[in-house]
Amino acid sequence: KQEVTQIPAALSVPEGENLVLNCSFTDSAIYNLQWFRQDPGKGLTSLLLIQSSQREQTSGRLNASLDKSSGRSTLYIAASQPGDSATYLCAVLPISKAGKSTFGDGTTLTVKP
Amino acid sequence: EAQVTQNPRYLITVTGKKLTVTCSQNMNHEYMSWYRQDPGLGLRQIYYSMNVEVTDKGDVPEGYKVSRKEKRNFPLILESPSPNQTSLYFCASSFGNPVEQYFGPGTRLTVT
Repeated sequence: KQEVTQIPAALSVPEGENLVLNCSFTDSAIYNLQWFRQDPGKGLTSLLLIQSSQREQTSGRLNASLDKSSGRSTLYIAASQPGDSATYLCAVLPISKAGKSTFGDGTTLTVKP
Repeated sequence: EAQVTQNPRYLITVTGKKLTVTCSQNMNHEYMSWYRQDPGLGLRQIYYSMNVEVTDKGDVPEGYKVSRKEKRNFPLILESPSPNQTSLYFCASSFGNPVEQYFGPGTRLTVT
């Protein structure tokens, strides 16, 4: 059974700092990996999608990488801002069971002004 | 505007009273899915549908039913709700296998 772990569970940084969020998965036979942002009491907003054949994706200050061999993905946030404060979740879809999605528990980020 | 909508957004009900949470998308997506989110347990998949009339169980399907009679709608049915189904529910949709999932705003359900 696929397990997805996100470390750390919570992170607090001063504004302007670069930071890395981690996502680990146990079964490397994945179809894709998606990073989301969730604000308190709100829905999930898609940030980046990495297909299994890709190594990384970039959108603005965000960069996500994927290393299937080690079962890891990282989300890099450059020059963090207070508006980046939210919970960040990763989700993987397996090749073996199309449509079955597994989420990590998320990392709650606080960026202090 | 491309979106996934859920109704109702908030619902308080009593044990055993059948209810339906609707989910609709206007993006012509083949894939739709239901999740529940609970503190300490994260986001867990209930059911998903790869296309019309094709549904499959996720990790926590017990106590729930779904149907996919048309492409845009994927209702979640609780035949006899119990307090342990109190949760925040999300619907999502995607093109294809799926590829990139888009989420609805959520439905907060309380069962007393």
